Amino acid sequence: EVQLVQSGAEVKKPGESLKISCKGSGYSFTSYWIGWVRQMPGKGLEWMGIIYPGDSDTRYSPSFQGQVTISADKSISTAYLQWSSLKASDTAMYYCARGGAMGHFDYWGQGTLVTVSS
Amino acid sequence: EIVMTQSPATLSVSPGERATLSCRASQSVSSNLAWYQQKPGQAPRLLIYGASTRATGIPARFSGSGSGTEFTLTISSLQSEDFAVYYCQQYNNWLGTFGQGTKVEIK
Repeated sequence: EVQLVQSGAEVKKPGESLKISCKGSGYSFTSYWIGWVRQMPGKGLEWMGIIYPGDSDTRYSPSFQGQVTISADKSISTAYLQWSSLKASDTAMYYCARGGAMGHFDYWGQGTLVTVSS
Repeated sequence: EIVMTQSPATLSVSPGERATLSCRASQSVSSNLAWYQQKPGQAPRLLIYGASTRATGIPARFSGSGSGTEFTLTISSLQSEDFAVYYCQQYNNWLGTFGQGTKVEIK
């Protein structure tokens, strides 16, 4: 069974750093892209970026380029999303999702709620 | 960046009726289009990919059509569990964007 299990909710202060994770199981982690999607409170889905764990090829939405870093550790089947300096506007639910053969997201993690508040 | 525009923002439909949701791309995305359903407090669920292929386990009442810049998701006979928000998403060269969503609510 394909599963993506994300790390738990985080509460951080502005300016702090953060790295959240997404662990894949039940499939060949290095053979599928993993993407990250943001959902701000009460808002829609935003495509952030995607990584191919097999060779670490990474693509970012222009809206998120330079704002976050996506990485993966294939030895432990885990992808990451990180911030070096959080802002209050980073408060959102973040989902990881597996990229299907055609670029759609076929399996999703349960989401990680990030709250940034002073 | 390709912009996806969904319409309407909200669709009020009675159970058993047909719902038709639209999605327009700012430039051609060929058939690289997916539809997702999201219920409150849940992660999105893939319904349709490749513009018209149902994902595993998705009921036949969900169908997708279109190519290029104009796409449609049709729910042939709405069930109570179908009231949710629906998003389209294009994926082109492994860069994607979502539409803003259509909320399907009970009339």
